[in-house]
Amino acid sequence: GDSVTQMEGPVTLSEEAFLTINCTYTATGYPSLFWYVQYPGEGLQLLLKATKADDKGSNKGFEATYRKETTSFHLEKGSVQVSDSAVYFCALRDDKIIFGKGTRLHILP
Amino acid sequence: EAGVAQSPRYKIIEKRQSVAFWCNPISGHATLYWYQQILGQGPKLLIQFQNNGVVDDSQLPKDRFSAERLKGVDSTLKIQPAKLEDSAVYLCASSLAANFEAFFGQGTRLTVV
Repeated sequence: GDSVTQMEGPVTLSEEAFLTINCTYTATGYPSLFWYVQYPGEGLQLLLKATKADDKGSNKGFEATYRKETTSFHLEKGSVQVSDSAVYFCALRDDKIIFGKGTRLHILP
Repeated sequence: EAGVAQSPRYKIIEKRQSVAFWCNPISGHATLYWYQQILGQGPKLLIQFQNNGVVDDSQLPKDRFSAERLKGVDSTLKIQPAKLEDSAVYLCASSLAANFEAFFGQGTRLTVV
């Protein structure tokens, strides 16, 4: 069945560092891909999405490109801030939304 | 615009007791989802409704879990009887339709002791 694998955390970076959180997927069809973020004490929020191969989703300085050839959707940000500290979930939607296990990100001032 | 509302926020019960969670989706959203998020894992879909009909309940443990969405608006998720392994955050989400963005509530944290 469909699945999502993302890098395990926690990931700890200093402010202004470059961020990459790896995500790969397995799907029988042509899913849409998502990154969700969960800030402390809050619900899941959609961060960005891509609906077809080579699409790039972007929001709040974060980017991810739908790579069909490597079945990947890695999340990147050029310069992280303390306020980016949260748990990040990679997800796919084929007939239903399937989430990865989440990656906790800590940004140190 | 009001978001997805869930209650209660927290619940502690003893094993073998019953518990119910309530969700009020965003107005006009036809699709409603219940997810279970165990600590350290990603959310797992339990059941998906389209209006008041069930679209997918393949991962719902039907011997103890039940859910309904009467009138196609609010929904309740019930566990009877609860087990220790049911300790998790139960998330409700809604979307305009199945292929639209899903909006999540803050969840109900259930602890079974």
